[in-house]
Amino acid sequence: DGGITQSPKYLFRKEGQNVTLSCEQNLNHDAMYWYRQDPGQGLRLIYYSQIVNDFQKGDIAEGYSVSREKKESFPLTVTSAQKNPTAFYLCASSITGNGNEQFFGPGTRLTVL
Amino acid sequence: AQSVTQLDSQVPVFEEAPVELRCNYSSSVSVYLFWYVQYPNQGLQLLLKYLSGSTLVKGINGFEAEFNKSQTSFHLRKPSVHISDTAEYFCAVSDSGDYKLSFGAGTTVTVRA
Repeated sequence: DGGITQSPKYLFRKEGQNVTLSCEQNLNHDAMYWYRQDPGQGLRLIYYSQIVNDFQKGDIAEGYSVSREKKESFPLTVTSAQKNPTAFYLCASSITGNGNEQFFGPGTRLTVL
Repeated sequence: AQSVTQLDSQVPVFEEAPVELRCNYSSSVSVYLFWYVQYPNQGLQLLLKYLSGSTLVKGINGFEAEFNKSQTSFHLRKPSVHISDTAEYFCAVSDSGDYKLSFGAGTTVTVRA
């Protein structure tokens, strides 16, 4: 079955550590996205990528980094510079182009201890 | 970028009663409109979308939405809800020249027997 996988489902981090969240898709989509979800704030775009080896900052990119070395993969690193990293992180993908549905993964819940 | 307002953060409703979730967006330029549903600790699933054509859009699970360009609204309705409709619902908008989505803060629907 085609879809998006995110791992791990739950992640705990000590302050000052970098952590990397995995996102893989087998939908053959060109575009991929990372969102952060906090209670009462909806989804906010962190980074997005329209094509391999290219990505752009979203609305809240500070303290995060990404790479897009393969079409199927778009990992997100939460760095120690992110002041309040505890949140639910969602990865999505879509066919490049206007009006196309974004398909979402199951999410990773990150908690900073 | 679009600003999306979901007018109700919480909507309690009895089983088999109708429900309406309200969504307004900021710009009247050409837009694409989406409603997504999120069950606890899961990713988002598309309910329906409006790209063009008929302003009344039918989606999955008996949901429908009406696009009103003059009021910049895209309200979601279901004539008779089930317990299983308990979830969080997100309205999302993109400008026709941009496939990034702007999300509302979400509406939590709680269906009671």
